[in-house]
Amino acid sequence: GDSVTQMEGPVTLSEEAFLTINCTYTATGYPSLFWYVQYPGEGLQLLLKATKADDKGSNKGFEATYRKETTSFHLEKGSVQVSDSAVYFCASHLGSGNTGKLIFGQGTTLQVKP
Amino acid sequence: NAGVTQTPKFQVLKTGQSMTLQCAQDMNHEYMSWYRQDPGMGLRLIHYSVGAGITDQGEVPNGYNVSRSTTEDFPLRLLSAAPSQTSVYFCAVVGFNYGYTFGSGTRLTVV
Repeated sequence: GDSVTQMEGPVTLSEEAFLTINCTYTATGYPSLFWYVQYPGEGLQLLLKATKADDKGSNKGFEATYRKETTSFHLEKGSVQVSDSAVYFCASHLGSGNTGKLIFGQGTTLQVKP
Repeated sequence: NAGVTQTPKFQVLKTGQSMTLQCAQDMNHEYMSWYRQDPGMGLRLIHYSVGAGITDQGEVPNGYNVSRSTTEDFPLRLLSAAPSQTSVYFCAVVGFNYGYTFGSGTRLTVV
C-alpha cells in the first residue's frame, strides 16, 4: 500500500547549521506531497507542498523538491534557528476519490541549540 | 477566526467509559477527517467524511464511531474506552487543493 518514510530523529543541530530531513514515498499514482510542522503543544501546520514532479515547495526558508525518479521529497533549510525546533511530518495525498486520506510519515523531531 | 475547533483539550477516562470528541469548523468545507497521533507512528487516519451524511473508515477505525449530520460538525465517539486508545486526536478539514487545516488536538488518557 501507499506509505511515507522519514528519517528517524531526533535531529540535533546548532543554530545556523544546514538542515536536511529525508522523506521517501510509495504510491500507486502520482500523489501531492506535503511537509507539516508541529510546534510543542500545537496542532499541525502546513509548511509547504508540491503537486507534481519537479515542483519545488518553499516557505519560511524551507524548501523541498518533488523527485519522481527517486520518489523523494526531502526538506532542506540553509540556516536553522532555535525557533525551528519542532516535529516535521512528510505526507502524501492522492487525487480525487481519496480526499481526506493524507498519509503521514512517522515524524522527525528537530532540536536546534543556540 | 475561521478554523477548526476541538473540544475538550484534555480528557482522562476509565477503561470502559464512553465519550465524544467534538470537532467543529466554520470554513464551510465538505471534507473532514479524524487522526490519532502516537509516538513514532506519525498520524493515522481513523475515519473521514466527504460531506453531511457520508462517512468512511480509515486505517485504524476499530473502537471508534463517527457521524456527520451537518457540514460544521464531525464528532468522534469512543464507545468503550481502552488503554490502547490513549493518544492525541486531531480533527482536520480539507480545503481547496487538498490544503488541510488541523485543530489543536485532544489529549486523551485511558486508565
